[in-house]
Amino acid sequence: GAVVSQHPSWVICKSGTSVKIECRSLDFQATTMFWYRQFPKQSLMLMATSNEGSKATYEQGVEKDKFLINHASLTLSTLTVTSAHPEDSSFYICSAIDFNGLYEQYFGPGTRLTVT
Amino acid sequence: KQEVTQIPAALSVPEGENLVLNCSFTDSAIYNLQWFRQDPGKGLTSLLLIQSSQREQTSGRLNASLDKSSGRSTLYIAASQPGDSATYLCAVFTGANSKLTFGKGITLSVRP
Repeated sequence: GAVVSQHPSWVICKSGTSVKIECRSLDFQATTMFWYRQFPKQSLMLMATSNEGSKATYEQGVEKDKFLINHASLTLSTLTVTSAHPEDSSFYICSAIDFNGLYEQYFGPGTRLTVT
Repeated sequence: KQEVTQIPAALSVPEGENLVLNCSFTDSAIYNLQWFRQDPGKGLTSLLLIQSSQREQTSGRLNASLDKSSGRSTLYIAASQPGDSATYLCAVFTGANSKLTFGKGITLSVRP
């Protein structure tokens, strides 16, 4: 199947700093990518839908000024957590749709963010 | 609004048992349904995808069925192994400009 990568796989940062997470589709073009966050022992929570060349669509309750999403190319979307606080510590996962007629979604391995 | 339910939340079985994981959804107007596996601290691995026009898909010891009219899908795991221990999530996709709607998952433990 298709491969989606994320970088970094884990990151520790101090309160008040910003962190950028990259999501790449390695062997297909993804006009649409999704960003999720997951708390321990809970299911995924969709944060936003990232569309190449346009603004992201955020889910209700997600602060767009805090979680900046940029989808500048067909293979790369980035999520920047600005002015991070300890409560932003979580597991962030991206996914990409392979529009091959099947609309199958492939997920990245996730990024563990810890804010101290 | 689409809702996806997976019951029970957790399941423990002895090695070698055949088992069925259930998934139900409220809106039958879906484009496809995917079953995923998630190991602790990891991303999601796609196991099987069933198109709305299909009844089932098979991959190795896994078989997924779909009954769209009744809003149900099952994931059948044959001859379970300890390595099958993980959380299994089902998710439905309602088409372009849409998003996946996930169930809360079933945490499976296969005892040696």
